[in-house]
Amino acid sequence: DGGITQSPKYLFRKEGQNVTLSCEQNLNHDAMYWYRQDPGQGLRLIYYSQIVNDFQKGDIAEGYSVSREKKESFPLTVTSAQKNPTAFYLCASSTPRDSWSYEQYFGPGTRLTVT
Amino acid sequence: GENVEQHPSTLSVQEGDSAVIKCTYSDSASNYFPWYKQELGKRPQLIIDIRSNVGEKKDQRIAVTLNKTAKHFSLHITETQPEDSAVYFCAASRGNNQGGKLIFGQGTELSVKP
Repeated sequence: DGGITQSPKYLFRKEGQNVTLSCEQNLNHDAMYWYRQDPGQGLRLIYYSQIVNDFQKGDIAEGYSVSREKKESFPLTVTSAQKNPTAFYLCASSTPRDSWSYEQYFGPGTRLTVT
Repeated sequence: GENVEQHPSTLSVQEGDSAVIKCTYSDSASNYFPWYKQELGKRPQLIIDIRSNVGEKKDQRIAVTLNKTAKHFSLHITETQPEDSAVYFCAASRGNNQGGKLIFGQGTELSVKP
């Protein structure tokens, strides 16, 4: 389970404030991902990055932004434009296992509460 | 767009019984189908996966089957134990064609009663 960390574990913010969630990995993985987990909705992809200085929107990117300036780091900013930001956020990284597949390794998650 | 439907959302079985979780995907270009297990308060972890050129794969008490024509795949757990209690997620991917991007199902909360 080691190798990918997220901080903090719990985060509280007031409505209207931007907040940045940290994700760091020392697995030397090229690809990194951000997911949002809500009860009954599984893991929904927010953004992903296949390589440094490049990233793509996932299914629910509105109200979020990311950067990938270093291979090890993929921070997620939840902006005030995100209508319902309270959720559990999971970061993951992956490397090719073979010509077919990637295995994603998840961080421990950050639970964000916005009031 | 790409979508994965997973059923049931909750499943309760007696210890020793079998459990089956089913998923349907929409993207016919998907060629890789992993299953992740998330225990309470922990991060998801890969437990088994299957590639599109294979119909079935087994690993001890768990197995996965794939029907590419129907775009269905299923997780089978035999001789369930209390430690199998968790949320299980299926996923579909185009594999290396999209940098490992996964589309996840909604999850199934499995409860194994002793």
